[in-house]
Amino acid sequence: KAGVTQTPRYLIKTRGQQVTLSCSPISGHRSVSWYQQTPGQGLQFLFEYFSETQRNKGNFPGRFSGRQFSNSRSEMNVSTLELGDSALYLCASSLAAGEETQYFGPGTRLLVL
Amino acid sequence: QKEVEQDPGPLSVPEGAIVSLNCTYSNSAFQYFMWYRQYSRKGPELLMYTYSSGNKEDGRFTAQVDKSSKYISLFIRDSQPSDSATYLCAMSGTSYGKLTFGQGTILTVHP
Repeated sequence: KAGVTQTPRYLIKTRGQQVTLSCSPISGHRSVSWYQQTPGQGLQFLFEYFSETQRNKGNFPGRFSGRQFSNSRSEMNVSTLELGDSALYLCASSLAAGEETQYFGPGTRLLVL
Repeated sequence: QKEVEQDPGPLSVPEGAIVSLNCTYSNSAFQYFMWYRQYSRKGPELLMYTYSSGNKEDGRFTAQVDKSSKYISLFIRDSQPSDSATYLCAMSGTSYGKLTFGQGTILTVHP
């Protein structure tokens, strides 16, 4: 079974631009969570989607948004990019509601110049 | 104070050593405990998953959870150079789809 896939793997953007990242969960998984990983803050939870509904959101500004499609694929968007948004963005999927085990993709490395 | 505390190391051991990695936490609502391994420039890979207190063994890896002390451990027996990575503890049970991670411990196993 294929794992979680994320595209693109690398991105370079400039301040003020916006970016959209994509995540395809493991087949049959319906929950998708997003995380930001930086050397200083570690892995921080952004938001979680299940059946196209955002059920949970972390402490990030409104510039960070996401959505989930009917096939469970998910996208996250960051608008008005700041230098501090440079990070590894990780997507994780789990089987169902209440399933705590999450499987991570390889991440998208975003560099904001 | 962070909800989950993990010594970042770095930790350097010789091949064949027993490695002990630990995390403490403050939120008594956590019920699910995981250990992930992350190689450089890769996503975290799930190693162990434990529900509530107790021990779980899988090959060279043993996970222990002591909820009364709010303390979890991962032991690696007969460590190999291929075990060199960052090890992350993670916990959940307080809100949908959210894992709370420790900072990660950088482990190097030298031949």
